[in-house]
Amino acid sequence: AQSVTQLDSQVPVFEEAPVELRCNYSSSVSVYLFWYVQYPNQGLQLLLKYLSGSTLVKGINGFEAEFNKSQTSFHLRKPSVHISDTAEYFCAVTPSTNFGNEKLTFGTGTRLTIIP
Amino acid sequence: KAGVTQTPRYLIKTRGQQVTLSCSPISGHRSVSWYQQTPGQGLQFLFEYFSETQRNKGNFPGRFSGRQFSNSRSEMNVSTLELGDSALYLCASSLLPRGEKLFFGSGTQLSVL
Repeated sequence: AQSVTQLDSQVPVFEEAPVELRCNYSSSVSVYLFWYVQYPNQGLQLLLKYLSGSTLVKGINGFEAEFNKSQTSFHLRKPSVHISDTAEYFCAVTPSTNFGNEKLTFGTGTRLTIIP
Repeated sequence: KAGVTQTPRYLIKTRGQQVTLSCSPISGHRSVSWYQQTPGQGLQFLFEYFSETQRNKGNFPGRFSGRQFSNSRSEMNVSTLELGDSALYLCASSLLPRGEKLFFGSGTQLSVL
């Protein structure tokens, strides 16, 4: 079974400042990792994902994340945030095996608030 | 290409009633998953269907059921509604039952009074 921990439930950041949203996971098998964003009253939108290869993954809207296998982390970063980045961010994992449980296991989310 | 469509967008029901939610996947997608999102529990996996067969089920009581039709559209049913069933129900589709290629709909917001 997999689990995901998002240590910060809320993160306030001033506009144009950098931000890091933390995500740690636990799994007995190799996993794929994801970050999703949810704007108010909307569903989930994929920001980026790590499947294999380079541990630094670039996504949409200027976000990037780094997979660190030894620390079982997948932290999300953006060098300069905008008001439009105000949303809830979810980290998720799924087993990378071909057969098995294909569901996504989500963290509890981090609410990012951008302060003008 | 149209995205994942969930209907209705909002629902208000009373305790004891039953409800049916609908999800139309992206054209060509054959796998549909359902998730429940609540402020207290976050996002929790309900079940997943592929080619009309339920392949995975989360830890929810039997009051929660679903099905998938031959055109890949899926419905989710909750019987004997409880206050705690109030949540945003999200549907996601993918071409194959692989977790790394999910596309989510905007959800159905269910309020149980």
